Amino acid sequence: QSALTQPRSVSGSPGQSVTISCTGTSSDVGGYNYVSWYQQHPGKAPKLMIYDVTKRPSGVPDRFSGSKSGNTASLTISGLQAEDEADYYCCSYAGSYNLKVFGGGTKLTVL
Amino acid sequence: EVQLVQSGAEVKKPGESLKISCKGSGYSFTTDWIGWVRQMPGKGLEWMGIIYPGDSDTRYSPSFQGQVTISADKSINTAYLQWRSLRASDTAMYYCARYSQITAGGDYWGQGTLVTVSS
Repeated sequence: QSALTQPRSVSGSPGQSVTISCTGTSSDVGGYNYVSWYQQHPGKAPKLMIYDVTKRPSGVPDRFSGSKSGNTASLTISGLQAEDEADYYCCSYAGSYNLKVFGGGTKLTVL
Repeated sequence: EVQLVQSGAEVKKPGESLKISCKGSGYSFTTDWIGWVRQMPGKGLEWMGIIYPGDSDTRYSPSFQGQVTISADKSINTAYLQWRSLRASDTAMYYCARYSQITAGGDYWGQGTLVTVSS
C-alpha cells in the first residue's frame, strides 16, 4: 500500500492561510470519509487535529479545517501563528485489508 | 484524564527479542482500540496495526504482518508490541494511540518508545 501524497513543504507568513493537500486513490481517501490529520512538533508525539475529514477534536482551534474532493483531502490553517510550525500528516482508512495509510508528511514553516 | 504511558527506551542487538508496552488509564480500556505507529529516524509515520483489548481482535497492516505481534492484557490495561528477532531496520520510535473505532483518528497518543537495534 503506497503512502498518500503530500507536498514536502509549505510556508506562510503569520496571519496568512495555508492549505496542505493529501492525494490518494478511490481505495482510500476517495472511498471513505475517514481522513484524519495530525500535527507533530519535533521530538513530540503526533496530535490529532482533524478526523472524519472535517471534524475537530475538542481543544483544537477553529483555525484548522479539513475538506475533501474526490481522491484529495486538504487541511487549511488560517490566521497562521508561529506555534503552527510543525510537520503535518494525513491518514486515511483504506478498507479491511490495508486498514490505514499515512501520507509522507508536510513540513510547515511560518516565515 | 485519558493517558497512554509507554515503556522506556530500549537498546538491543540484532536477533534479540523485545516486547514494549502501552498502559492506558482514565477511560474504559476494553471498549476502544489501541493502534501502533512506527516512525523511523527522520522519516514519516507508518501505521502498523491495531487491537481491540476487549476481545483481542487484532488487525495488521500488510507491511507489518508476520514481522511483529500485537497483544493486550485487559486485566492490567496494557497493550504490547513484540518482535521475535530484531533487525537494525527496526530502529525507530514506536507510538501507541487510542482509536474509538478502526476508522477513527487516534485521539490520544503515548509518548513514544525509542527502540535502537545495533551490534
